[in-house]
Amino acid sequence: EAGVAQSPRYKIIEKRQSVAFWCNPISGHATLYWYQQILGQGPKLLIQFQNNGVVDDSQLPKDRFSAERLKGVDSTLKIQPAKLEDSAVYLCASSPRLAGETQYFGPGTRLLVL
Amino acid sequence: QKEVEQDPGPLSVPEGAIVSLNCTYSNSAFQYFMWYRQYSRKGPELLMYTYSSGNKEDGRFTAQVDKSSKYISLFIRDSQPSDSATYLCAMSAVGRSGGSNYKLTFGKGTLLTVNP
Repeated sequence: EAGVAQSPRYKIIEKRQSVAFWCNPISGHATLYWYQQILGQGPKLLIQFQNNGVVDDSQLPKDRFSAERLKGVDSTLKIQPAKLEDSAVYLCASSPRLAGETQYFGPGTRLLVL
Repeated sequence: QKEVEQDPGPLSVPEGAIVSLNCTYSNSAFQYFMWYRQYSRKGPELLMYTYSSGNKEDGRFTAQVDKSSKYISLFIRDSQPSDSATYLCAMSAVGRSGGSNYKLTFGKGTLLTVNP
């Protein structure tokens, strides 16, 4: 079974630029999550999708971050404009519906904002 | 007070040692307790989860939950150099379906090194 795929793996941008990350969850997993992991910290949930609907985006900085999950499969997370404090690893995870205790993470996208 | 506290270490042990990793928490609504392993430059990998109190064993790994003390532990027996990683605890409350409500609160992680 293929795992969660993410791209790109690394990205370096300057502040005020925009950036987008892509995620493909495990086949058949209805729930998709985006997390932000700052160096030395545990992951923090940004947004959760159930199929193509948003369930929780309470910790998403909506003035600069946006996410979508068209057709209930792939998802993209965008930052526009980026700030220095957005430097982090952005992790995508997926889980079977109604089983949030078994979340499977992708390798992450490491973002550096200069 | 943070909802989940975890000593970041680092923790260094010789091969074959028994390792004890711990987290404390303050939110009494937490009912699901997970342990993730994260290798450098990789995503977290779920090791095991427990529901409510008690012990759970999987091979060399044992998870314990003491809800009365709001304290959870992960024990690694016969530790191997391949166990060298950051170990993250995570917790969640119960959702409407009876499973985890998906909203995981993570500790900062403990960096473990097992020396050959």
